[in-house]
Amino acid sequence: QSALTQPASVSGSPGQSITISCTGTSSDVGGYNYVAWYRQHPGKVPKVMIYHVNNRPSGVSDRFSGSKSGNTASLTISGLQAEDEADYYCSSYSSGGTHVFGTGTKVTVL
Amino acid sequence: QITLKESGPTLVAPTQTLTLTCTLSGFSLTTSEVGVGWIRQPPGKALEWLALIYGNDDKRHSPSLKNRLSINKDASNNQVVLTMTNMDPVDTATYFCTHKLRDNSYYDFRGQGHLVTVSS
Repeated sequence: QSALTQPASVSGSPGQSITISCTGTSSDVGGYNYVAWYRQHPGKVPKVMIYHVNNRPSGVSDRFSGSKSGNTASLTISGLQAEDEADYYCSSYSSGGTHVFGTGTKVTVL
Repeated sequence: QITLKESGPTLVAPTQTLTLTCTLSGFSLTTSEVGVGWIRQPPGKALEWLALIYGNDDKRHSPSLKNRLSINKDASNNQVVLTMTNMDPVDTATYFCTHKLRDNSYYDFRGQGHLVTVSS
């Protein structure tokens, strides 16, 4: 069970849109619609931003959206804001009832 | 309000066994629909999923750590205990226990985590 692959860093200017990819296999991302995305500010605990591929928990801005195609899931942040600067992690249910996290992406707001 | 609090040693010697306790508040681990998961994060590194237990004692373990991990619940004290054997410096990390609903694909981080350092 290998970690899901994410780009190490993504950057954008305020107001722009960015997309973070999360690539797995048919045994995890591609096999189930159980992908979640977390945001983690420095020194803070992770907070879920998207679950079940494209669902937002109550209270999460609609600037965050998720999608999936094949073995790759994506998180899009539109209208980038300074508060979006953080680390982002994807996770997926995996065969056997386990879970796996992504390698993490540092988002920088220029 | 649901909260989880991790406790245990902050320093563990190499080859020793780590025992971490997660004390639950605001919910009980008594049904198959509610679970507690353990996730860790080495300093400056990514999250790593470790283990999960549901109220019906359904358990899951990371395949890469399965031989070293055990997860159990103590219903009488409303706690979940994670045990990891043969600790190594690479196991230095913040360990989080989290709330999980079976129908949800995500883990809810309701605690602050517990930093464990492995060193002689």
